[in-house]
Amino acid sequence: EVQLLESGGGLVQPGGSLRLSCAASGFTFSSYAMSWVRQAPGKGLEWVSVISGSGASTKYADSVKGRFTISRDNSKNTVYVQMNSLRVEDTAVYYCAKDHGSPKWKYAFDIWGQGTMVTVSS
Amino acid sequence: QSALTQPPSASGSPGQSVTISCTGSSSDVGDYNYVSWYQHHPGKAPKLMIYEVSERPSGVPDRFSGSKSGNTASLTVSGLQAEDEGDYYCSSYAGSNNLIFGGGTKLTVL
Repeated sequence: EVQLLESGGGLVQPGGSLRLSCAASGFTFSSYAMSWVRQAPGKGLEWVSVISGSGASTKYADSVKGRFTISRDNSKNTVYVQMNSLRVEDTAVYYCAKDHGSPKWKYAFDIWGQGTMVTVSS
Repeated sequence: QSALTQPPSASGSPGQSVTISCTGSSSDVGDYNYVSWYQHHPGKAPKLMIYEVSERPSGVPDRFSGSKSGNTASLTVSGLQAEDEGDYYCSSYAGSNNLIFGGGTKLTVL
């Protein structure tokens, strides 16, 4: 079964750090770009970051650029996001998501995890 | 990049058709055929309904269709069913590996 499972969410103070993980199974992980997408309470979806299948290419939304770092370990079928200098406005459910296309990206996510909640509060 | 513009709500009776719009700009929706639509039920993972403007992933009923004209994309749900209720989000590639979402539309089946 194709599956993504996020972990690592929790409560952190403003200015703190957190690392989220997303374990993949059921597909050739290294062949697909992976993204993180978040949803703040009562708000819509917001794309956060993407990493290519090889890990050589990464991109970030302006709202997290310079604070978040996406990475992946294809030997462990896992994608990560390191979140530093966290702000109250980073509070959200964070989803990892698999791109629908390979090798050409389709910028569409056909598999999503269930999400992990990150709360930034003092 | 600003979020794509969607109506906050849409509704229809069972069996009817409803269309949800998604308006962007010439830098995103108008410039690329990488428009997607997702169905999202609170507490669950979003589900891909349409990609590349009008393509349906396997398993998505053909009651769901997508189109684009200029800077506006649309999702049409025909033969509305109770299970179609939920939040619908559009997204579009915006160049340089950036992606933007719409604000979401709550679809109610009356």
